[in-house]
Amino acid sequence: DGGITQSPKYLFRKEGQNVTLSCEQNLNHDAMYWYRQDPGQGLRLIYYSQIVNDFQKGDIAEGYSVSREKKESFPLTVTSAQKNPTAFYLCASSIGEHRGGNNEQFFGPGTRLTVL
Amino acid sequence: AQSVTQLGSHVSVSEGALVLLRCNYSSSVPPYLFWYVQYPNQGLQLLLKYTSAATLVKGINGFEAEFKKSETSFHLTKPSAHMSDAAEYFCAVSVSGYNKLIFGAGTRLAVHP
Repeated sequence: DGGITQSPKYLFRKEGQNVTLSCEQNLNHDAMYWYRQDPGQGLRLIYYSQIVNDFQKGDIAEGYSVSREKKESFPLTVTSAQKNPTAFYLCASSIGEHRGGNNEQFFGPGTRLTVL
Repeated sequence: AQSVTQLGSHVSVSEGALVLLRCNYSSSVPPYLFWYVQYPNQGLQLLLKYTSAATLVKGINGFEAEFKKSETSFHLTKPSAHMSDAAEYFCAVSVSGYNKLIFGAGTRLAVHP
């Protein structure tokens, strides 16, 4: 089964700790994305990557970091610098426009992060 | 720059009634348009997409949307609501070369008996 997996589904963190959210895809997609979703709000883009070893900041990158060492993986680290990290985090992927894609994104099931 | 406006953060309909969720976009070039659905504590699932082919697009679960360039709209409809349609719906826009989707704020659909 092809798809996107995110782990863990629920994550609890103490204030001041860094935490890393996992995102893996086996769709052979070039592009990957991280979004944050808060109650009553839409999706806000944190980081995105169009190709391995390259990524760009989205609209709310402060307090977050990413890496893209493998095509299949795009982990997100929520650092202690993120002032209000409690939220639902969604990872997505897409084919990539250079391969004829139209930016249709496929989403993982999400990780709910709670800071205690 | 592209943008998306979804009119109505909450919509409530009776089971069997027409569902109409509104989406207006702003784009200086021909857009790609998408509707996604999100059930509680889950990721987003694609309902349908417009990619410059037919202006009336049919999707999953009986939903459809019509691209109207003159009105810059891409409203989502379903003739008869089902209880299982209760969810949050997101409209999104993208254009060639942009490499990102711009999402609307979402519309929460409630279906009551």
